[in-house]
Amino acid sequence: EVQLVESGGGLVKPGGSLRLSCAASGFTFSNYNMNWVRQAPGKGLEWVSSISRSSRYIYYADSVKGRFTISRDNAKDSLYLQMSSLRAEDTAVYHCARDLYSHNISLGFDSWGQGILVTVSS
Amino acid sequence: QSVLTQPPSASGTPGQRVTISCSGSNSNIGTNYVYWYQQLPGTAPRLLIYRNNQRPSGVPDRFSGSKSGTSASLAISRLRSEYEADYYCVAWDDRLSGWVFGGGTKLTVL
Repeated sequence: EVQLVESGGGLVKPGGSLRLSCAASGFTFSNYNMNWVRQAPGKGLEWVSSISRSSRYIYYADSVKGRFTISRDNAKDSLYLQMSSLRAEDTAVYHCARDLYSHNISLGFDSWGQGILVTVSS
Repeated sequence: QSVLTQPPSASGTPGQRVTISCSGSNSNIGTNYVYWYQQLPGTAPRLLIYRNNQRPSGVPDRFSGSKSGTSASLAISRLRSEYEADYYCVAWDDRLSGWVFGGGTKLTVL
């Protein structure tokens, strides 16, 4: 069974840092691009960042560029999101999601974690 | 303000057909594939449609997607109460070099 389990969320003060992890199981992690998508309370989904299978290609939403860093460890089947200079508007549930590519075209985010809440507040 | 524009709400009665629109631009929908996700209350999103009109295994054929120019749409036929959820369109944006989401459409089954 495919599983994606996020951890590392919690309450942090504005300007602070937090590192999210996403543990993958039930599939060959290194075959998939991975993504972080967030959802602020009562709001819609917002893409945050993507990383390719070998970490060669990394992309960020403008809203987090320069503050967040995505990484992965294929040996540990894990995805990470290092978040720094956190702001109140970063408060959200953060989901990790896998993305399979075929002939360089995405087949969509076909599995998602349940998400982890990050609250930025003083 | 989302890059992709969806109506905030849609509704229908059981058995009806409902369509949800998604409007973008040349840098996203006009050039790249569109994906649709369903998010039931309190749950993680679920992939409904990929590459404009393809359904992953397990998604009923009541759900269909289409694209024309810089717009796309999701059609849900033979509406059921369990389809009451938020629906999001997504596309890669070449100008932003990232995925862009629509603001979501809340579907109510009356």
